[in-house]
This record gives sequence, C-alpha cells and structure tokens, in this order.
Amino acid sequence: DAMVIQNPRYQVTQFGKPVTLSCSQTLNHNVMYWYQQKSSQAPKLLFHYYDKDFNNEADTPDNFQSRRPNTSFCFLDIRSPGLGDAAMYLCATSLRDGAYEQYFGPGTRLTVT
Amino acid sequence: AQSVSQHNHHVILSEAASLELGCNYSYGGTVNLFWYVQYPGQHLQLLLKYFSGDPLVKGIKGFEAEFIKSKFSFNLRKPSVQWSDTAEYFCAFRSNDYKLSFGAGTTVTVRA
Repeated sequence: DAMVIQNPRYQVTQFGKPVTLSCSQTLNHNVMYWYQQKSSQAPKLLFHYYDKDFNNEADTPDNFQSRRPNTSFCFLDIRSPGLGDAAMYLCATSLRDGAYEQYFGPGTRLTVT
Repeated sequence: AQSVSQHNHHVILSEAASLELGCNYSYGGTVNLFWYVQYPGQHLQLLLKYFSGDPLVKGIKGFEAEFIKSKFSFNLRKPSVQWSDTAEYFCAFRSNDYKLSFGAGTTVTVRA
C-alpha cells in the first residue's frame, strides 16, 4: 500500500527546460518535505510545507519552487534546470514536524541533458 | 553548524558477521536520533529512533543502536547480518525544529 507516491520515477529534461516533479500522500500528514540527494551524498532538505505554510531552507536556490494545492499533493518546480541539478529528489511526509517519523517516497531521479 | 558524520562509506562483510556502523553528531543541545535504511530500489524507511529514556534502542529486523551522550554518538549494531541486510544506512538527527540532518550514508554489502 503506497503511502507516499512520487511521479515520475525517472525524469529526463533538457538544460533550461522547466520541469515539475510530483508527490502525493495517502497519510493525511500535515507536513511535506522535498529533499535533493546527489550520488553518495546525504539527502539535503530543500523546503517543506506545514499545512499551507511554506518554509524554504536558506541555501535552496531560487531556481527551485514548490506548490502544495491541497493536503495530498505537493509539487517541486525547477524553473531552469542546470546540469548540477541532476539528482534524486525525495518527497517525505510527517504527521507534524520534528519528533514525528518521516515517511519517504521512492524518489524521482532527474537527468538533465 | 549542526552536522552528522558516518565513519564508514562502504562496509563489506559475510553473512552471520556482526555489524557496527558509526555515527557522530555535532550539536550541544537535546537531539532526536534516527537510523534510516534504503534497500536497493526501495525508499528510505525508519530502522529505529531515540528520543529519550533508555539509551539502547531496538529497531526492526534485529537492529539496535546505543546513544552515548558523552561521545555524541549513536552507533548502529546487528549481531548477525543476513544477505538481505545489503542496503544503504543513514544516520540522522533533529535538533530543535523540524529539520532532519542526514549523514552521507554507509553502503553495506553482505556476501552470502
């Protein structure tokens, strides 16, 4: 029973061409997170939503945006992907923040050509 | 700055061997500590967590971890590994807000 779903699992985009990654959840959790994970590196938090409140990490590039139209869905928009943005993008949810376990989706691997 | 360091990048061992993965964090206050595992082709999932109380915590699949506050460590252990334990293991901690800080991960390969 999938709880955090990410689509697509693999995404290829061209340099500079906007791309949107999708995440949905069936857990009815308040918080949704987006992480970027490059090869052999730790997942790095980009931003998160607590309900409708958006929280951006200080070092997240402006090129990365997010939308959360409702509780279930959250999108990651990369406005002008560069070669350095090729990575695995992980979506996670938690019931509330902090002390609650985060549930991760399978990730979307983004390739930039 | 808050950070997590995992001592080993890649560990290779045989079935039935004992496993210990090191994790140290740098933060002077109260922390919550986690170990996550990612099996090949699967998503990150929680192995175990420590919030307070008994510093020896037990998780799923026979894993345990010990929080040693004086050493800022939270090492993961399993007395006898199986081939199915082949995976990437991430240590993570949360300080005073929502944010999880992850280590770079340790790839564990168990040979049959």
